[in-house]
Amino acid sequence: AQKVTQAQTEISVVEKEDVTLDCVYETRDTTYYLFWYKQPPSGELVFLIRRNSFDEQNEISGRYSWNFQKSTSSFNFTITASQVVDSAVYFCALSEYGNKLVFGAGTILRVKS
Amino acid sequence: DTGVSQDPRHKITKRGQNVTFRCDPISEHNRLYWYRQTLGQGPEFLTYFQNEAQLEKSRLLSDRFSAERPKGSFSTLEIQRTEQGDSAMYLCASSPPLGRQHEQYFGPGTRLTVT
Repeated sequence: AQKVTQAQTEISVVEKEDVTLDCVYETRDTTYYLFWYKQPPSGELVFLIRRNSFDEQNEISGRYSWNFQKSTSSFNFTITASQVVDSAVYFCALSEYGNKLVFGAGTILRVKS
Repeated sequence: DTGVSQDPRHKITKRGQNVTFRCDPISEHNRLYWYRQTLGQGPEFLTYFQNEAQLEKSRLLSDRFSAERPKGSFSTLEIQRTEQGDSAMYLCASSPPLGRQHEQYFGPGTRLTVT
């Protein structure tokens, strides 16, 4: 069975600090996709990134970066120089090819000015 | 290109009543998914359609729940004889055809409160 664990329930940082959100996954499939979504207070899930199981290259997009390590089944997300607008709930998710998403419980990120 | 839309955005109903939600996917997206999210939790998969065919249903989808996608366009999710435990955000997502079906785009959700 697939499972996603986000051990950090809530993280508080001061603006401009770097913060890393952890995600550990379990799957028996060799082909799978990993995702991060952001859910601001408005409630809509915003897609941030998708990674397939064959691509372990780290990715950077502006202040966001992702570290995918198959050896530890982890897909961590780092926000550099956090801003108040980054405050939201962040979800890591896993899917087999083209099918349902299995989400973690989410990490609440609070960025204080 | 409009996104996924859901209607209504909020619904308050009394226990025992039936409710129906609608989801309009992004045009030409052939897959449509329903998820449920309770407070403090991540979304949980309920069911999904490829075109008009319902291909998978979660064990969470009790007999009181039914989903349809006539003609492979919009979808409806009906809950009969609502219970307080049905209070949640109901999210719809759609994904493009083969080759990109792993990309799911979410709508704003329908928040259901059962009193």
